[in-house]
Amino acid sequence: ILNVEQSPQSLHVQEGDSTNFTCSFPSSNFYALHWYRWETAKSPEALFVMTLNGDEKKKGRISATLNTKEGYSYLYIKGSQPEDSATYLCAFSDYSSASKIIFGSGTRLSIRP
Amino acid sequence: DGGITQSPKYLFRKEGQNVTLSCEQNLNHDAMYWYRQDPGQGLRLIYYSQIVNDFQKGDIAEGYSVSREKKESFPLTVTSAQKNPTAFYLCASSIGEKVSGNQPQHFGDGTRLSIL
Repeated sequence: ILNVEQSPQSLHVQEGDSTNFTCSFPSSNFYALHWYRWETAKSPEALFVMTLNGDEKKKGRISATLNTKEGYSYLYIKGSQPEDSATYLCAFSDYSSASKIIFGSGTRLSIRP
Repeated sequence: DGGITQSPKYLFRKEGQNVTLSCEQNLNHDAMYWYRQDPGQGLRLIYYSQIVNDFQKGDIAEGYSVSREKKESFPLTVTSAQKNPTAFYLCASSIGEKVSGNQPQHFGDGTRLSIL
């Protein structure tokens, strides 16, 4: 079973501060890495899908980087706002079963006003 | 509006009973997925289907069954063999005629299943 690890499990950040968290995944046979935001009482929403080593993606104040050789991705949030409070999930697929997507357990982010 | 519809939102199962969770999408997506979430845990893959009449087991398929007779529909049956079915179930879909692991997933609103 492929294992995707996210850290930290939860995070409390002051409004206006920047923050980041990590997703670790197997570095062999890499195919794609996904990031999702899951707000309470809503469905998970796709933020990024990255496929190339060194990829950097940005959406507003949120950005992500990818290192496939060492098997990690960082998600950054600049100037946190209360609406950023959510669980952030990463997910991974590899070439051996390229349609199979395995999720980490998420990082729960709370923004203190 | 295009999207994924899961029904019902809440479902109660008696011991020994099979129940079926519905998932329908009108996004014309090829791939569909079922995940289970338990408290404090992430999404665990139950089954996925890349194409009509074909599906693959995920990491926790035991006690579950699926069918994919139509592109739009991917129902999940929780059988009596699933000893701990109480969980939140999410259905997702994505484009990708041959492979879909590099495509973003679109999720339904989920079904919460409880044991009576």
